[in-house]
Amino acid sequence: GESVGLHLPTLSVQEGDNSIINCAYSNSASDYFIWYKQESGKGPQFIIDIRSNMDKRQGQRVTVLLNKTVKHLSLQIAATQPGDSAVYFCAELSSGGYQKVTFGTGTKLQVIP
Amino acid sequence: DAGVTQSPTHLIKTRGQHVTLRCSPISGHKSVSWYQQVLGQGPQFIFQYYEKEERGRGNFPDRFSARQFPNYSSELNVNALLLGDSALYLCASSLSGILQGYTFGSGTRLTVV
Repeated sequence: GESVGLHLPTLSVQEGDNSIINCAYSNSASDYFIWYKQESGKGPQFIIDIRSNMDKRQGQRVTVLLNKTVKHLSLQIAATQPGDSAVYFCAELSSGGYQKVTFGTGTKLQVIP
Repeated sequence: DAGVTQSPTHLIKTRGQHVTLRCSPISGHKSVSWYQQVLGQGPQFIFQYYEKEERGRGNFPDRFSARQFPNYSSELNVNALLLGDSALYLCASSLSGILQGYTFGSGTRLTVV
């Protein structure tokens, strides 16, 4: 079946360094991808999105890269801060007349002070 | 301005029992979606409702049902609870189902014993 997954379950990064979280997806028909951040005890929070007709999109301290050839998505966080510690999910939007989000397993980002 | 509110925050039920979870969307939001998040995994789509009508259903058994009320609040019902139903149940609301406009609540933690 269709799925969205992540390469690394845990990522430890020194404060101030850049973080890169990777994600592989299997549905080549997906045309919209989202990164979410989930802190302990909270629901997922939208970070940034990208459409399949783009290969890069930048936000505040975050950049999402999309490589459709190898079906790979990445989230780059610049100057990682302790507040960035959370679980990060990539997700894809399923078409079909309604908005269904298919989430991956998640990567836990630990920022070392 | 209140976000998405879910009640209760925590719940313990016995196998075979029934449970009702509640969600109040952000004022003005007409779409509500429900997700199940098992510990260590990404959220899984259960239902989407828009204007009180079911617009989408995930791969969940008929024991799971939901409804949306005229004030756009929603209930998720689960019958004949199984141990495997233990999870964080997330509600997300949006104006019209536009993905990037989704706001998640903090969820209801259901434990089935």
